[in-house]
Amino acid sequence: NAGVTQTPKFQVLKTGQSMTLQCAQDMNHEYMSWYRQDPGMGLRLIHYSVGAGITDQGEVPNGYNVSRSTTEDFPLRLLSAAPSQTSVYFCASSYSTSGGSGQFFGPGTRLTVL
Amino acid sequence: AQSVSQHNHHVILSEAASLELGCNYSYGGTVNLFWYVQYPGQHLQLLLKYFSGDPLVKGIKGFEAEFIKSKFSFNLRKPSVQWSDTAEYFCAAMNYGGATNKLIFGTGTLLAVQP
Repeated sequence: NAGVTQTPKFQVLKTGQSMTLQCAQDMNHEYMSWYRQDPGMGLRLIHYSVGAGITDQGEVPNGYNVSRSTTEDFPLRLLSAAPSQTSVYFCASSYSTSGGSGQFFGPGTRLTVL
Repeated sequence: AQSVSQHNHHVILSEAASLELGCNYSYGGTVNLFWYVQYPGQHLQLLLKYFSGDPLVKGIKGFEAEFIKSKFSFNLRKPSVQWSDTAEYFCAAMNYGGATNKLIFGTGTLLAVQP
């Protein structure tokens, strides 16, 4: 199993550009989520999904879109990048929608918006 | 609103000292509780978790945590830290059976262990 994979690892954008952060898991997990990690603020939940076709907002959803067309993939779209979105983004998945198995985290994408 | 608080932002200890990191949550109902660790340059790994039963939970690498329902706390402990425990530690909580299924993290505690 590859676990949770994220691409790209690093990305630099200009203000106003759009892009998609990719996330995939091969563990047949129902629950997937996106977090951003900023110094002193821990991990903040952006969006999450409890299964294919079902998504919901987390703590900081503004400026981001998600979709879940398959169990395996959960891409995060930045519609119009802003410097405030400079962060490290982590995708995570778990078998249970109650988080029972604990989350498996991907390696992260470091995004800089100029 | 659901939240998780970690009051110690930065902790510095000498090797062999005992560790206790505080975590408090504000949730109603049944919660699942977790501690994650992030070593320098790596992604998060699960240290331990609590769902029900014995409130004293043992995890990997000698860590343990105690769930005290009356205090809404889930503190992480280790009797004797090592230099390799230098990392950032995150407490997290999720309502079990809740409508939202949101896993919310605290702001983290950076632990530096001096040799």
